[in-house]
Amino acid sequence: DADVTQTPRNRITKTGKRIMLECSQTKGHDRMYWYRQDPGLGLRLIYYSFDVKDINKGEISDGYSVSRQAQAKFSLSLESAIPNQTALYFCATSERDYPGEQFFGPGTRLTVL
Amino acid sequence: DAKTTQPNSMESNEEEPVHLPCNHSTISGTDYIHWYRQLPSQGPEYVIHGLTSNVNNRMASLAIAEDRKSSTLILHRATLRDAAVYYCILRDEHGGGTSYGKLTFGQGTILTVHP
Repeated sequence: DADVTQTPRNRITKTGKRIMLECSQTKGHDRMYWYRQDPGLGLRLIYYSFDVKDINKGEISDGYSVSRQAQAKFSLSLESAIPNQTALYFCATSERDYPGEQFFGPGTRLTVL
Repeated sequence: DAKTTQPNSMESNEEEPVHLPCNHSTISGTDYIHWYRQLPSQGPEYVIHGLTSNVNNRMASLAIAEDRKSSTLILHRATLRDAAVYYCILRDEHGGGTSYGKLTFGQGTILTVHP
């Protein structure tokens, strides 16, 4: 079984809808991250969480919110989806004392019509 | 944040060595050099990282210039499976800093491996 899983893997939705992307990990890591990737570009950090009670904005947090329900779960929400949020979304985890090595999930492809 | 510069693309033949360069002239003393790669339709995966000394692991080697303003990821024998986008990333290791633990991805180098 994969250490970092994301659901759904693909989602098509309409403008204005609320969408939640979920991430679960079995690695026991404290740190979790949400990135988005647009075609031809690298990944950009949306939000990150160093532990259950610590959530921080990344470089492109506008239009997104997150919830860290437990050490193993980190959800990303789009309260009112818009077309320019169409992208590939990745969740990642890392250890508290060795944050440099991040482990990524398989990604969620989101299309907002 | 210190930036990195990588070639947009490189090509190699299977079973030949590949040297992927990265320039980071504004690197700070607390920046580690990390390399990740992203295979088609997958999330990025960690390759290697280092601070000042050259590093080796089962996947690759990392050669760091003495002034730390550039580095080279070395794949000793490229395989078709090594075709991916390779990202060179500087990561702030200063504990407690607001950027601590964050990875900032650039556009990377697209590596094509020919049979």
